[in-house]
Amino acid sequence: ETGVTQTPRHLVMGMTNKKSLKCEQHLGHNAMYWYKQSAKKPLELMFVYSLEERVENNSVPSRFSPECPNSSHLFLHLHTLQPEDSALYLCASSFRDSPMGYTFGSGTRLTVV
Amino acid sequence: QKEVEQDPGPLSVPEGAIVSLNCTYSNSAFQYFMWYRQYSRKGPELLMYTYSSGNKEDGRFTAQVDKSSKYISLFIRDSQPSDSATYLCAMSSNAGGTSYGKLTFGQGTILTVHP
Repeated sequence: ETGVTQTPRHLVMGMTNKKSLKCEQHLGHNAMYWYKQSAKKPLELMFVYSLEERVENNSVPSRFSPECPNSSHLFLHLHTLQPEDSALYLCASSFRDSPMGYTFGSGTRLTVV
Repeated sequence: QKEVEQDPGPLSVPEGAIVSLNCTYSNSAFQYFMWYRQYSRKGPELLMYTYSSGNKEDGRFTAQVDKSSKYISLFIRDSQPSDSATYLCAMSSNAGGTSYGKLTFGQGTILTVHP
């Protein structure tokens, strides 16, 4: 898969587990994003990294912890999640000053049991 | 009031029909308007984008923006079963020179085109 790759595609975790979602982009972009997509809701922006610096954190609970070690990789570390956190988590990348050039990954379908 | 309103549907049409998808918005600063298509088990992909008001055509797809009414539309002519997907509108007020291009999305409309 080219462009933006997310792993794993599916994840089932208990509320006491710790897991990480991974995103990798091969497009030379310098901004990366985490979105949450729940049924019947708009995409919710969670975190933004621009030039590897976190520039937005949309009141996301601390049980979600992002990490951007370089411009090509983005992680979302998960711990002590709640059932309502079950959703599709999408990673996207773009050039930082271009609102029209988002490329999304296929997402990680997360189920918290 | 949500910044962007989009009827979630679902919308079901026969093959060959003309499909009209719409979004309304409240933020008059929005200048960039996009439509994304999301197939099942995939991420959204950019279908079309428009800057400011006017029309843009690409094959069977036409995007229209009416800034005076704060209303955008996507028309699909001669719809095909392969057009079955969720269609999301997205908007931005960023014109560059900012830390990133922030998008505001609609809820998405689920479209099914049946043979």
